[in-house]
Parts: sequence; structure tokens; C-alpha cells
Amino acid sequence: GIQVEQSPPDLILQEGANSTLRCNFSDSVNNLQWFHQNPWGQLINLFYIPSGTKQNGRLSATTVATERYSLLYISSSQTTDSGVYFCAAGTGTASKLTFGTGTRLQVTL
Amino acid sequence: EAQVTQNPRYLITVTGKKLTVTCSQNMNHEYMSWYRQDPGLGLRQIYYSMNVEVTDKGDVPEGYKVSRKEKRNFPLILESPSPNQTSLYFCASSLRGHQQDHHYEQYFGPGTRLTVT
Repeated sequence: GIQVEQSPPDLILQEGANSTLRCNFSDSVNNLQWFHQNPWGQLINLFYIPSGTKQNGRLSATTVATERYSLLYISSSQTTDSGVYFCAAGTGTASKLTFGTGTRLQVTL
Repeated sequence: EAQVTQNPRYLITVTGKKLTVTCSQNMNHEYMSWYRQDPGLGLRQIYYSMNVEVTDKGDVPEGYKVSRKEKRNFPLILESPSPNQTSLYFCASSLRGHQQDHHYEQYFGPGTRLTVT
């Protein structure tokens, strides 16, 4: 099956800093999503982005499908951005997602 | 409010005692799925359902059963729980499961923390 790798595994930022999280996947995908798991465990869908670029406030994401990677950009980070960011990819005709092991982000004052 | 709900949120049980974790969504979604989350392993899919009466195995189906008799509900059944099923479980749903519809965004329930002693 498809392999999904995320980097870095851990990231510590000061409030206001920018960051880039990376997701590499081993096969062609028709489904690529980014999720944020907050410190209370809730998983929030950030982007559905199998290709191209999307922006939502301080967050944006880019997927270059031909090169099999996706990037999540966080600008002007805030303490509420802390948590774990997961990339998940899917291929084939179903919505079956394979998750990476996540990037744990801590934003400090 | 559009949401995915799970019950119970927390459960401590003993080996071999059958249990069911319920999942319900009010968004008329066709696709539903169960995941388990374990430290260092991310989320792994247990079972998924493309629609009513259509279910299939994910990556780690052993020891679990599911059913999809109604569109809104997708219960996870552990017939004989064992300690290695101690985990955080998530139910998720999306509008569609088929490629051509491009309605793949998955929405997650709040999670069920299960401990089997």
C-alpha cells in the first residue's frame, strides 16, 4: 500500500514564527488531506488538496502530485496552533486514507 | 449542528467482555470509517463502509466487527476484547467515497478512549 512520511516529527516555534510541514507519499494519489489534532484529541480537517494550492487564513497547503509531496504552511503561528498535524493520502476508487505519523508542533509565547 | 458523535467517550473493560462503540453522523454522508490511534503509529483504518450494507476491511480489522444497517450509524463491535485493543478510536465520515465525486473531506468524531484490562 501507499506509504506516507511526514517531516519534521517535532517542531517548536515561538509565537509569530512561520513554519513549513512536509508530507511525502509513495504513489499517485487522488485524495490528500491535512488534519490538526488539538491537545484535547479532536481531529479537525484543514484541507482536502490532492493537487494545487489552497489557503485558509494563516494556513495554506500545496500539493505537487507529480513529485509526490505536499506542504502545509503556517504563518504567524499562535499558541492555539499547537498539536499534531497529520497528512493522509488515498489512492484508488475508495476514500481509504493512509495516515502519516504526524508532526508535533508546540508554539510557545 | 453537523457532527459525528461517538459513545462512549471513555470505557474501561475487562478481557473477553463484548462491547460496542456507537458512531452516528447527521450529515447524510455515504462513507464512514473507523480508525485506531496508537502512539508512534498514527491512525490506522480498521473498517470502512461505502454505503448502507457495504463494508470492507481496512488495515487492522482483526478482532473487530462492524455493521451498516442505516446510513447514519456505523457501530464498532469488539466481540472478545483483548489488552492489545487498548487504544483511542475515531469514527469518521465523508459525503462520498468514490473518486469521481470529489467529496472526500473526512470529518472525525471526538474519539473513544478504550482500556482493556
